[in-house]
Amino acid sequence: DIQMTQSPSSLSASVGDRVTITCRASQSISRYLNWHQQKPGKAPKLLIYAASTLQSGVPSSFSGSGSGTDFTLTISSLQPEDFATYYCQQSYSPPYTFGQGTKLEIK
Amino acid sequence: QVQLVESGGGVVQPGRSLRLSCAVSGFTLSSYGMHWVRQAPGKGLEWVAFISYDGSNKYYGDSVKGRFTISRDISKNTLYLQMNSLRAEDMAVYYCAKDCGDCLGFGMDVWGQGTTVTVSS
Repeated sequence: DIQMTQSPSSLSASVGDRVTITCRASQSISRYLNWHQQKPGKAPKLLIYAASTLQSGVPSSFSGSGSGTDFTLTISSLQPEDFATYYCQQSYSPPYTFGQGTKLEIK
Repeated sequence: QVQLVESGGGVVQPGRSLRLSCAVSGFTLSSYGMHWVRQAPGKGLEWVAFISYDGSNKYYGDSVKGRFTISRDISKNTLYLQMNSLRAEDMAVYYCAKDCGDCLGFGMDVWGQGTTVTVSS
């Protein structure tokens, strides 16, 4: 099974900050990597697929990059609604594992 | 508009069975694969199962393999998760999710609101 490891597990930041979250796969997954956002008590929401393609309706302040085993999610200027938990997920082979999550909190 | 509505959650004793349903609208199950994903209280997301658009391929997470079965009824546009031999560690919110279809590989682009399964004696 492919293991997905995110860092950091939690992050404190301020509105307007630029933040980066990292996701590492235990083996190469090419660009088969998705990012999901989850707010408390809500279902997750797809932000980015294929490592860098923005899902329709997602603000351009979000961007993704990487291939192989190392990936990043960047938010260029944090907005109040961006404070949430972010999960990477590999879509390369079953089981389609998630990272453990990164909780983004207001400083 | 694509919509997924889960039902069937509840309180069940360890060792018993439960069947979750996910009614979909705005698309047909014969066109897209579907996933079940769960989230234990205070924990992260755990992928549970997948069924392909034609029903020919089914995959399961290691923790549920042999106990859970994913299926669907095309005529009812409903996805199911049959859960047998339930354990305390199966207690979670269960989400059904539509597969992207064209996202590169297999990922979830639309999620239901979730249904809660509590395993307790």
